[in-house]
Amino acid sequence: DAGVTQSPTHLIKTRGQQVTLRCSPISGHKSVSWYQQVLGQGPQFIFQYYEKEERGRGNFPDRFSARQFPNYSSELNVNALLLGDSALYLCASSSYDRDSNTEAFFGQGTRLTVV
Amino acid sequence: AQTVTQSQPEMSVQEAETVTLSCTYDTSENNYYLFWYKQPPSRQMILVIRQEAYKQQNATENRFSVNFQKAAKSFSLKISDSQLGDTAMYFCAFMKPAGNEKLTFGTGTRLTIIP
Repeated sequence: DAGVTQSPTHLIKTRGQQVTLRCSPISGHKSVSWYQQVLGQGPQFIFQYYEKEERGRGNFPDRFSARQFPNYSSELNVNALLLGDSALYLCASSSYDRDSNTEAFFGQGTRLTVV
Repeated sequence: AQTVTQSQPEMSVQEAETVTLSCTYDTSENNYYLFWYKQPPSRQMILVIRQEAYKQQNATENRFSVNFQKAAKSFSLKISDSQLGDTAMYFCAFMKPAGNEKLTFGTGTRLTIIP
């Protein structure tokens, strides 16, 4: 079975532009989470979506938005890009059970460089 | 809010030796989950081991084991018989049960296994 897939793997954008990152979860997984990993730091939680609804949001500005589609894939959008948005963006999927912990499986990430 | 601290930015050890990575955390929760993730140069986060706070017994997965000290809020990872493939960034992470799947990560320890 395919793991979590993210696209693109790398991209370069200019300050002020908008970017869309994509994530396809493992088959059967209904939960997708997004993380930002700045160089030299641990990942920071941005969003979790489950069954197309937002279940959690981290401390990120409104320039960051996401959505989940009926097939459980997800997009992360970032508007008005800043140099500080340069990071590795990780997507994780899980089967998510509200009453117990499930394992999150991560993709290989999208490396975003803002110039 | 929960915080996770990894005080060892870098470590190195000879192949076949044992190494211990440290992690402390701060939370007011009584029930939670703790994880160690490995991030090799391929960038993909891989779950190494997890511990449920209500379980007294330390988790073990083959060459990997943890020393979970709940009162001290300490969660160290021991790697026995270290192998070249263990070279990676290691992140300690915390999750509250239920609600959403937000993982709070530490800043990581870069582990190098020397041949």
